[in-house]
Parts: sequence; structure tokens; C-alpha cells
Amino acid sequence: SYVLTQPPSVSVAPGQTARITCGGNNIGSKSVHWYQQKPGQAPVLVVYDDSDRPSGIPERFSGSNSGNTATLTISRVEAGDEADYYCQVWDSSSDHHVVFGGGTKLTVL
Amino acid sequence: QVQLVESGGGLVKPGGSLRLSCAASGFTFSDYYMSWIRQAPGKGLEWVSYISSSGSTIYYADSVKGRFTISRDNAKNSLYLQMNSLRAEDTAVYYCARGGQLTGMDVWGQGTTVTVSS
Repeated sequence: SYVLTQPPSVSVAPGQTARITCGGNNIGSKSVHWYQQKPGQAPVLVVYDDSDRPSGIPERFSGSNSGNTATLTISRVEAGDEADYYCQVWDSSSDHHVVFGGGTKLTVL
Repeated sequence: QVQLVESGGGLVKPGGSLRLSCAASGFTFSDYYMSWIRQAPGKGLEWVSYISSSGSTIYYADSVKGRFTISRDNAKNSLYLQMNSLRAEDTAVYYCARGGQLTGMDVWGQGTTVTVSS
């Protein structure tokens, strides 16, 4: 089955840029979606199809995907961005399963 | 507004059964794939199952295959998850979400908690 690998944690100072990676075999051939989850809340879709943003999501959130790594970039990080972030793909190649990465805790210093 | 509301969670003994429901409103339910995702205490998100808009295509995670059944009633704008032979490791918050195959999951419910314990 397909595996997505994320770093457990990323730390960044306010105003700086955070980059959260999501590794997977030839992930560049798949559509990657990113979710933000704050404590006690349901996840929120922040980037879909590698780099598109749902309405209401700030332009500070962007995504890219190539080769074996997808990246969520958060520019001008704010305290309110502190949350867990998950990448997700649909594995169409074998078992048609939905796969989530293990999640990355973003800490704003 | 677009909304998903789960219900049916609770405390159940190992080996028991539970049926979760998800009521959709604010959008044309019958146009969308729907999914169930769970999150064990202190853990990450785990996909459970998805169902196509018509109900003709269904897939399950290996961890629940043969024990859980997803279904939908488009006339009632509702999604269901029948959970049988429950185990301690099924303890989690269960979310329903809109989407699930090619698309991202763009609408989530607030979750319902399932606890499997004797």
C-alpha cells in the first residue's frame, strides 16, 4: 500500500516561512491535498490538487508537488497557524484507497 | 449553509455493533462522493471508507474491511457507517466528509466519538 511520510514537527518564528513536506513514491503523479487541524476541531482543507486554495483560505498557504515530494508552504506565519497539518492522496494505482500522511505539528515560536 | 452532522457514537463493548449517521444539508448530497475518516486519541487521521455519489462504488481500509459497511440514502441526504465486531482499536472520533476519491475532502462534520471498552 502507498505510504506518505511527513516530519513529525516543524517550528518557525512569526513572520517567517514554514515548509511542510510530504514524501511518497512518485507523488508528483498524484493530486495532493492538505488539511489543517487545530486542537479539538475537525480538519479543514487548505490546499487541494497540489496547489489550489479553497475559498476563504489565505493566499499565504500554497502548495507544490514534484518527483517524490509535495510541499505545503505557509508564508508570513502567524500564531493562529499553529496546528497539525496532514497531506492526503488517492492511491489509484492498486487498491483505490485514500491515504493520509502521519501529520506534522507546526509550532510558532 | 453547507453542513455535515454526525450522530450515533457512544460506548460499546468489544464485539458489539454501532451505526453512525451523517446528515448533510446545504448542498446537493447526491452529487458527491462521501467518506468516513477516524482519529484515535492523540493520533493522526485514518481513512475508513468512501462511497460514490450513486452508491455503486465503495472501498474500505484494510483495518475495517469485512466488519464495517458504508451506505447512503440520497433521498434522506444521509450517510451511514454500520460497525460490527468492534475492537478496542476502533476507539476514535469518527468524521464524515464530503469528497474522497480524486477530490480533496472540502466539508467535514464535527465528529462523533466511539469508545470500545468493556
